[in-house]
Amino acid sequence: GQNIDQPTEMTATEGAIVQINCTYQTSGFNGLFWYQQHAGEAPTFLSYNVLDGLEEKGRFSSFLSRSKGYSYLLLKELQMKDSASYLCAVEYGNKLVFGAGTILRVKS
Amino acid sequence: GAVVSQHPSWVICKSGTSVKIECRSLDFQATTMFWYRQFPKQSLMLMATSNEGSKATYEQGVEKDKFLINHASLTLSTLTVTSAHPEDSSFYICSARDPLGLAGGAGTDTQYFGPGTRLTVL
Repeated sequence: GQNIDQPTEMTATEGAIVQINCTYQTSGFNGLFWYQQHAGEAPTFLSYNVLDGLEEKGRFSSFLSRSKGYSYLLLKELQMKDSASYLCAVEYGNKLVFGAGTILRVKS
Repeated sequence: GAVVSQHPSWVICKSGTSVKIECRSLDFQATTMFWYRQFPKQSLMLMATSNEGSKATYEQGVEKDKFLINHASLTLSTLTVTSAHPEDSSFYICSARDPLGLAGGAGTDTQYFGPGTRLTVL
């Protein structure tokens, strides 16, 4: 199978920086997505990485190392509204395979 | 851009009835749409890939006769849960792929998700 591993839960303080890691099986890899999902809602697109390196988009950045099968999502200047589940999804062929998600709790 | 709608947003039905869920891409044409199911506190599980003008491709373990998918146009796919049972109660989410990357500015092949449909079967 295509095991996609990410931490189950993380807690961080408002204004801080948090890094959410994701590891995946490299065989058949076509690209990696990060989505944010609030409880009871559908996922919203955050970032897409297909080449090695860092993609920055405002307070959110995503990094990819294809050789290591590793990605991380970096959230800066955390806000309370960032409390959500963050899903790492890897594209194998035409399909997206999702990790179980990391629940991020931002505390004041 | 890149808006995907789903209807209904929630539905409660009796066991044995059928329920149809619609998924529409509002500002782009999607030759491929996907149907996912998400149980509480679990991640999204792909059920099937819906291709415009052809039969859907189902994932292993998903009954194609129970979950009927129709993708009649480039902007509409429907999922019909036939003879629903309580164990079918779940959050059903569709996504649409923007093949040209025009609508959302996130590059080609990004999947954009609908708001989901919460199905409760009594």
